[in-house]
Amino acid sequence: QKEVEQNSGPLSVPEGAIASLNCTYSDRGSQSFFWYRQYSGKSPELIMFIYSNGDKEDGRFTAQLNKASQYVSLLIRDSQPSDSATYLCAVLNTGFQKLVFGTGTRLLVSP
Amino acid sequence: DAGVIQSPRHEVTEMGQEVTLRCKPISGHNSLFWYRQTMMRGLELLIYFNNNVPIDDSGMPEDRFSAKMPNASFSTLKIQPSEPRDSAVYFCASSPFDRGYEQYFGPGTRLTVT
Repeated sequence: QKEVEQNSGPLSVPEGAIASLNCTYSDRGSQSFFWYRQYSGKSPELIMFIYSNGDKEDGRFTAQLNKASQYVSLLIRDSQPSDSATYLCAVLNTGFQKLVFGTGTRLLVSP
Repeated sequence: DAGVIQSPRHEVTEMGQEVTLRCKPISGHNSLFWYRQTMMRGLELLIYFNNNVPIDDSGMPEDRFSAKMPNASFSTLKIQPSEPRDSAVYFCASSPFDRGYEQYFGPGTRLTVT
């Protein structure tokens, strides 16, 4: 079992819709969770992080965490074609500083 | 700030040759990370440094890979000898020491070994 799992996609949504990206992790002791966005041919950039169960909102982005189910999600409201990218879920390794990344979900937002 | 700087941006080399990738982290960042990204395996951490000291190199694939950080503003990742399976994009990232999750990635080096 991989430490962080994501559906590779692509996830296709029309412009203006809500895109829902999901991630599961195996280390029950993990406390911190992150979403990075990576445009094609570019480097990853941090867009959201969440530590506590529940929802965290930042503009059009909402991160959701359910530690009991070991599940993290990212919702993108009013999706725009410029949101088309690969979204990487990352978990901070218990007791260490290093991030463990999932392989990413490719999102395509069509005009 | 110029961000994390990596060189070269592209490298094409023949199997068996030595390859050296270079990274300059963001000034003031105490932590530096080397990653490798492939379609099959995603983004993998190879090694990371805190205050120029290697902390965890468990992700380094084998002895052909080595990394150094002689000072706070420079790091190298060396592959000797290179093999076709080393073809990937190699990213360097840096972060403040107390916020290791807040990693700023460089543009990457696309390595092709023929």
